[in-house]
Amino acid sequence: EIVMTQSPATLSVSPGERATLSCRASQSVSSNLAWYQQKPGQAPRLLIYAASARATDVPGRFSGSGSGTEFTLTISSLQSEDFAVYYCQQYNNWPPLTFGGGTKVEIK
Amino acid sequence: EAQLVESGGGLVQPGGSLRLSCAASGFTVSSNYMTWVRQAPGKGLEWVSLISSDGSTYYADSVKGRFIISRDNSKNTLYLQMNSLRAEDTAVYHCARDWNGDYIFDQWGQGTLVTVSS
Repeated sequence: EIVMTQSPATLSVSPGERATLSCRASQSVSSNLAWYQQKPGQAPRLLIYAASARATDVPGRFSGSGSGTEFTLTISSLQSEDFAVYYCQQYNNWPPLTFGGGTKVEIK
Repeated sequence: EAQLVESGGGLVQPGGSLRLSCAASGFTVSSNYMTWVRQAPGKGLEWVSLISSDGSTYYADSVKGRFIISRDNSKNTLYLQMNSLRAEDTAVYHCARDWNGDYIFDQWGQGTLVTVSS
Protein backbone atom coordinates (compact mmCIF):
# COMPACT_ATOMS: atom_id res chain seq x y z
CA GLU A 1 0.00 0.00 0.00
CA ILE A 2 1.26 3.46 -0.89
CA VAL A 3 1.22 5.79 2.10
CA MET A 4 0.57 9.47 1.41
CA THR A 5 1.92 11.97 3.95
CA GLN A 6 0.83 15.60 3.92
CA SER A 7 2.53 18.50 5.63
CA PRO A 8 1.99 20.62 7.52
CA ALA A 9 -1.12 19.36 9.28
CA THR A 10 -2.26 22.95 9.75
CA LEU A 11 -1.18 26.03 7.83
CA SER A 12 -2.03 29.50 9.12
CA VAL A 13 -2.09 32.06 6.33
CA SER A 14 -3.35 35.62 5.97
CA PRO A 15 -5.75 36.44 3.13
CA GLY A 16 -3.83 37.47 0.02
CA GLU A 17 -0.74 35.48 0.98
CA ARG A 18 0.63 32.41 -0.76
CA ALA A 19 0.04 28.94 0.67
CA THR A 20 2.24 25.96 -0.13
CA LEU A 21 1.03 22.48 0.79
CA SER A 22 3.14 19.33 0.50
CA CYS A 23 2.29 15.71 -0.21
CA ARG A 24 4.80 12.87 -0.16
CA ALA A 25 4.28 9.32 -1.39
CA SER A 26 6.00 6.31 0.17
CA GLN A 27 6.96 5.17 -3.34
CA SER A 28 6.74 6.69 -6.79
CA VAL A 29 3.25 7.43 -8.08
CA SER A 30 4.53 9.04 -11.29
CA SER A 31 2.17 11.97 -11.95
CA ASN A 32 -0.92 10.07 -10.87
CA LEU A 33 -1.87 12.41 -8.08
CA ALA A 34 -4.98 14.46 -7.40
CA TRP A 35 -5.80 17.23 -4.93
CA TYR A 36 -9.19 17.82 -3.35
CA GLN A 37 -10.60 20.65 -1.26
CA GLN A 38 -13.14 20.02 1.49
CA LYS A 39 -15.02 22.64 3.47
CA PRO A 40 -16.82 21.79 6.73
CA GLY A 41 -20.00 19.81 6.14
CA GLN A 42 -19.39 19.65 2.41
CA ALA A 43 -18.31 17.01 -0.06
CA PRO A 44 -14.75 17.02 -1.36
CA ARG A 45 -14.14 18.97 -4.55
CA LEU A 46 -11.61 17.94 -7.19
CA LEU A 47 -9.02 20.69 -7.76
CA ILE A 48 -6.03 19.14 -9.51
CA TYR A 49 -5.40 15.85 -11.32
CA ALA A 50 -2.37 14.40 -13.06
CA ALA A 51 -0.33 16.39 -10.52
CA SER A 52 -0.72 19.70 -12.32
CA ALA A 53 -3.90 19.85 -14.40
CA ARG A 54 -6.66 22.04 -13.03
CA ALA A 55 -10.16 20.56 -12.94
CA THR A 56 -13.10 22.33 -14.53
CA ASP A 57 -13.95 25.73 -13.02
CA VAL A 58 -10.97 25.71 -10.65
CA PRO A 59 -9.49 29.22 -10.36
CA GLY A 60 -6.03 29.89 -11.76
CA ARG A 61 -4.63 30.72 -8.31
CA PHE A 62 -4.52 26.96 -7.62
CA SER A 63 -1.56 25.14 -9.12
CA GLY A 64 -0.03 21.73 -8.64
CA SER A 65 3.47 20.48 -9.28
CA GLY A 66 5.73 17.51 -8.70
CA SER A 67 6.16 13.92 -9.79
CA GLY A 68 7.44 10.69 -8.35
CA THR A 69 7.18 11.04 -4.59
CA GLU A 70 7.07 14.79 -3.94
CA PHE A 71 4.12 17.01 -4.79
CA THR A 72 3.04 20.56 -4.02
CA LEU A 73 -0.26 22.41 -4.14
CA THR A 74 0.17 26.19 -4.26
CA ILE A 75 -2.55 28.76 -3.72
CA SER A 76 -1.02 31.97 -5.00
CA SER A 77 -3.19 34.49 -3.18
CA LEU A 78 -5.56 33.09 -0.60
CA GLN A 79 -9.17 34.17 -0.78
CA SER A 80 -11.66 33.79 2.05
CA GLU A 81 -13.33 30.86 0.31
CA ASP A 82 -10.03 28.95 0.16
CA PHE A 83 -9.85 28.24 3.88
CA ALA A 84 -10.55 24.54 4.00
CA VAL A 85 -8.90 21.13 4.30
CA TYR A 86 -6.90 19.85 1.34
CA TYR A 87 -6.24 16.19 0.56
CA CYS A 88 -3.93 14.52 -1.93
CA GLN A 89 -4.80 11.14 -3.46
CA GLN A 90 -2.65 8.73 -5.44
CA TYR A 91 -4.14 6.58 -8.17
CA ASN A 92 -0.99 5.05 -9.62
CA ASN A 93 -0.88 1.81 -7.68
CA TRP A 94 -4.11 0.36 -6.35
CA PRO A 95 -6.06 -1.12 -4.73
CA PRO A 96 -6.12 0.55 -2.42
CA LEU A 97 -6.52 4.11 -3.59
CA THR A 98 -4.96 6.18 -0.84
CA PHE A 99 -5.38 9.69 0.48
CA GLY A 100 -3.11 11.84 2.57
CA GLY A 101 -4.16 12.84 6.05
CA GLY A 102 -5.02 16.37 4.95
CA THR A 103 -3.74 19.91 5.50
CA LYS A 104 -6.04 22.42 7.12
CA VAL A 105 -5.56 25.94 5.81
CA GLU A 106 -6.77 28.39 8.43
CA ILE A 107 -6.93 32.13 8.73
CA LYS A 108 -3.93 33.66 10.46
CA GLU B 1 -25.73 18.79 -14.13
CA ALA B 2 -24.41 15.68 -12.42
CA GLN B 3 -25.61 15.06 -8.88
CA LEU B 4 -25.23 12.31 -6.30
CA VAL B 5 -27.46 11.89 -3.26
CA GLU B 6 -26.70 9.30 -0.58
CA SER B 7 -29.20 7.79 1.83
CA GLY B 8 -29.57 4.86 4.16
CA GLY B 9 -27.26 5.83 6.99
CA GLY B 10 -28.21 5.60 10.63
CA LEU B 11 -27.47 4.01 13.99
CA VAL B 12 -26.78 0.27 13.96
CA GLN B 13 -25.48 -2.13 16.59
CA PRO B 14 -22.13 -3.87 16.22
CA GLY B 15 -22.54 -6.94 14.05
CA GLY B 16 -25.52 -5.43 12.27
CA SER B 17 -26.12 -4.59 8.63
CA LEU B 18 -27.03 -1.52 6.65
CA ARG B 19 -27.46 -0.74 2.96
CA LEU B 20 -26.45 2.65 1.63
CA SER B 21 -27.85 4.06 -1.59
CA CYS B 22 -26.45 6.70 -3.92
CA ALA B 23 -28.96 8.06 -6.41
CA ALA B 24 -27.39 9.65 -9.46
CA SER B 25 -28.81 12.20 -11.86
CA GLY B 26 -27.36 13.95 -14.90
CA PHE B 27 -25.26 10.96 -15.92
CA THR B 28 -25.44 7.15 -16.15
CA VAL B 29 -23.98 5.19 -13.24
CA SER B 30 -23.33 2.09 -15.32
CA SER B 31 -21.19 4.04 -17.79
CA ASN B 32 -18.82 5.26 -15.11
CA TYR B 33 -16.57 3.87 -12.44
CA MET B 34 -18.18 4.64 -9.10
CA THR B 35 -16.68 4.58 -5.65
CA TRP B 36 -17.42 4.86 -1.93
CA VAL B 37 -15.14 6.89 0.31
CA ARG B 38 -15.67 7.27 4.04
CA GLN B 39 -14.64 9.81 6.62
CA ALA B 40 -14.62 9.00 10.31
CA PRO B 41 -15.63 11.90 12.58
CA GLY B 42 -12.89 14.53 12.53
CA LYS B 43 -10.66 12.35 10.36
CA GLY B 44 -9.48 12.20 6.76
CA LEU B 45 -10.74 10.42 3.68
CA GLU B 46 -10.52 6.64 3.36
CA TRP B 47 -11.28 4.76 0.15
CA VAL B 48 -13.72 1.88 0.69
CA SER B 49 -14.79 0.32 -2.59
CA LEU B 50 -15.07 0.81 -6.35
CA ILE B 51 -17.12 -0.70 -9.15
CA SER B 52 -15.95 -0.33 -12.71
CA SER B 53 -18.17 0.17 -15.73
CA ASP B 54 -17.77 -3.51 -16.63
CA GLY B 55 -18.93 -4.52 -13.16
CA SER B 56 -15.59 -5.45 -11.61
CA THR B 57 -15.47 -4.69 -7.90
CA TYR B 58 -12.63 -3.73 -5.56
CA TYR B 59 -12.44 -3.29 -1.80
CA ALA B 60 -10.20 -1.93 0.89
CA ASP B 61 -8.77 -4.71 3.05
CA SER B 62 -10.60 -3.26 6.06
CA VAL B 63 -14.02 -4.04 4.53
CA LYS B 64 -13.27 -6.99 2.24
CA GLY B 65 -15.63 -9.87 2.91
CA ARG B 66 -18.06 -7.63 4.83
CA PHE B 67 -19.13 -4.96 2.33
CA ILE B 68 -20.57 -5.40 -1.15
CA ILE B 69 -20.74 -2.67 -3.80
CA SER B 70 -23.37 -2.96 -6.50
CA ARG B 71 -25.55 -0.89 -8.79
CA ASP B 72 -29.05 -0.96 -10.23
CA ASN B 73 -28.93 0.32 -13.78
CA SER B 74 -32.70 0.71 -14.02
CA LYS B 75 -32.68 3.01 -10.98
CA ASN B 76 -29.35 4.67 -11.84
CA THR B 77 -28.31 3.99 -8.27
CA LEU B 78 -25.16 2.76 -6.54
CA TYR B 79 -25.32 0.70 -3.35
CA LEU B 80 -23.08 -0.38 -0.52
CA GLN B 81 -24.27 -3.37 1.49
CA MET B 82 -22.51 -3.27 4.84
CA ASN B 83 -22.51 -6.41 6.98
CA SER B 84 -20.85 -7.39 10.26
CA LEU B 85 -20.47 -3.74 11.13
CA ARG B 86 -17.86 -2.65 13.66
CA ALA B 87 -17.41 0.50 15.71
CA GLU B 88 -14.52 1.50 13.44
CA ASP B 89 -16.91 1.62 10.47
CA THR B 90 -18.53 4.71 11.99
CA ALA B 91 -18.13 7.45 9.39
CA VAL B 92 -19.78 9.64 6.81
CA TYR B 93 -19.94 7.61 3.61
CA HIS B 94 -19.62 9.53 0.34
CA CYS B 95 -20.24 8.13 -3.11
CA ALA B 96 -18.30 9.64 -5.99
CA ARG B 97 -17.99 9.41 -9.74
CA ASP B 98 -14.76 8.57 -11.50
CA TRP B 99 -14.92 10.90 -14.45
CA ASN B 100 -12.88 8.92 -16.98
CA GLY B 101 -11.91 5.55 -15.57
CA ASP B 102 -8.72 7.07 -14.20
CA TYR B 103 -9.61 6.83 -10.51
CA ILE B 104 -10.03 10.60 -10.24
CA PHE B 105 -13.30 11.62 -8.62
CA ASP B 106 -14.98 14.70 -10.04
CA GLN B 107 -18.47 14.46 -8.55
CA TRP B 108 -19.19 13.67 -4.91
CA GLY B 109 -22.30 13.33 -2.81
CA GLN B 110 -22.74 15.07 0.52
CA GLY B 111 -22.55 11.80 2.36
CA THR B 112 -24.64 9.77 4.80
CA LEU B 113 -23.62 9.13 8.41
CA VAL B 114 -23.29 5.59 9.68
CA THR B 115 -22.90 5.16 13.43
CA VAL B 116 -22.07 1.72 14.80
CA SER B 117 -22.72 1.63 18.52
CA SER B 118 -24.54 -0.37 21.14
